Amino acid sequence: AQTVTQSQPEMSVQEAETVTLSCTYDTSESDYYLFWYKQPPSRQMILVIRQEAYKQQNATENRFSVNFQKAAKSFSLKISDSQLGDAAMYFCAYRSYSNQGGSEKLVFGKGTKLTVNP
Amino acid sequence: NAGVMQNPRHLVRRRGQEARLRCSPMKGHSHVYWYRQLPEEGLKFMVYLQKENIIDESGMPKERFSAEFPKEGPSILRIQQVVRGDSAAYFCASSPRGANVLTFGAGSRLTVL
Repeated sequence: AQTVTQSQPEMSVQEAETVTLSCTYDTSESDYYLFWYKQPPSRQMILVIRQEAYKQQNATENRFSVNFQKAAKSFSLKISDSQLGDAAMYFCAYRSYSNQGGSEKLVFGKGTKLTVNP
Repeated sequence: NAGVMQNPRHLVRRRGQEARLRCSPMKGHSHVYWYRQLPEEGLKFMVYLQKENIIDESGMPKERFSAEFPKEGPSILRIQQVVRGDSAAYFCASSPRGANVLTFGAGSRLTVL
């Protein structure tokens, strides 16, 4: 079974600075998807960024980018120019490429709480 | 587009009562997922449904929990004879057929006294 590990329960960053959140995963599959989700205090789960394992190029979405190291099974999230609104729980998630019935079943890490200091 | 709608947002039940949580997927989405988030934990997959079919219920507890997604109306997650350990946030998510992205609702927080 796949597992996702986020080794940093909490992180903090100064506004306008850059922060990197770590995620490692364990799988025997070669094709899969990886995600970062943001959960602000409202509890709404918001997709931040997505990476397909077969793509070597790291995904980017505005101030958010990933460092995907497939051999190391590492998928870190970098947030540049941090803003107060970035404060939230961040969850790393794994999706098997060949889930039963095309399922979007995700395996989540335990999350990292990000604090942004003004 | 109203997004994924869950209700109630908050539900309080006493031990032994039943809890029913409802989820209306996004318009055009035919696949529904239920996840549970215990305090200080990530989300854990419970069940994946399509209209009138349970596709994957590998994450559902064997007893007291059931889910349905009828031809008409919302998906329902039902917990019978609730216990304190059922206290959690329950999230519903939906996707269209063939997509690789889930859209989550805001969750329903169940508190069992």
